Amino acid sequence: SQQGEEDPQALSIQEGENATMNCSYKTSINNLQWYRQNSGRGLVHLILIRSNEREKHSGRLRVTLDTSKKSSSLLITASRAADTASYFCATDATGSARQLTFGSGTQLTVLP
Amino acid sequence: DGGITQSPKYLFRKEGQNVTLSCEQNLNHDAMYWYRQDPGQGLRLIYYSQIVNDFQKGDIAEGYSVSREKKESFPLTVTSAQKNPTAFYLCASSIARTGYEQYFGPGTRLTVT
Repeated sequence: SQQGEEDPQALSIQEGENATMNCSYKTSINNLQWYRQNSGRGLVHLILIRSNEREKHSGRLRVTLDTSKKSSSLLITASRAADTASYFCATDATGSARQLTFGSGTQLTVLP
Repeated sequence: DGGITQSPKYLFRKEGQNVTLSCEQNLNHDAMYWYRQDPGQGLRLIYYSQIVNDFQKGDIAEGYSVSREKKESFPLTVTSAQKNPTAFYLCASSIARTGYEQYFGPGTRLTVT
């Protein structure tokens, strides 16, 4: 079973708008990571947030983590057509030898 | 895709043949991973290795084998025992097993007919 599940599965917005993606997970974590994947390519790490952190920023990205609700959100501000990609959350579960567990992703389309 | 190479990008094989996918990294990372991705899905862990000459099964290891004879290299063999081998295969590495981001290669798309 997958630890992280993203919502929505697909999101279509206009350039300049903000995009918000959510991730829910089931067990305690050490950290949660967000990755981006352009079609047919490898994944690129975006941001890592540790379990004792609540919010983190990187450029136009803002990630929040609510461990009480076992959820995280990724906000991309002022989106660009080049942000079109799939976005995955991945959890590093406490006490697990499973490594990272990836969700099924959100497909973001930014229309010019 | 920085520092991790996978070859070839596309691979075609006949059913019943074993095939080996290459993964090399020059990041001096201890940990390496193999994932499988099916259309519209997330990544599923096949095998991982924390150190040379050691590797562990992931969630879907059946029909696959790996070796880790060198720190830089972690080849994956898809055997004829894998029931549905057509997929996109991704190799990744990280500094250590947990707590760090993973760096991914560009992937190999395997088609078995």
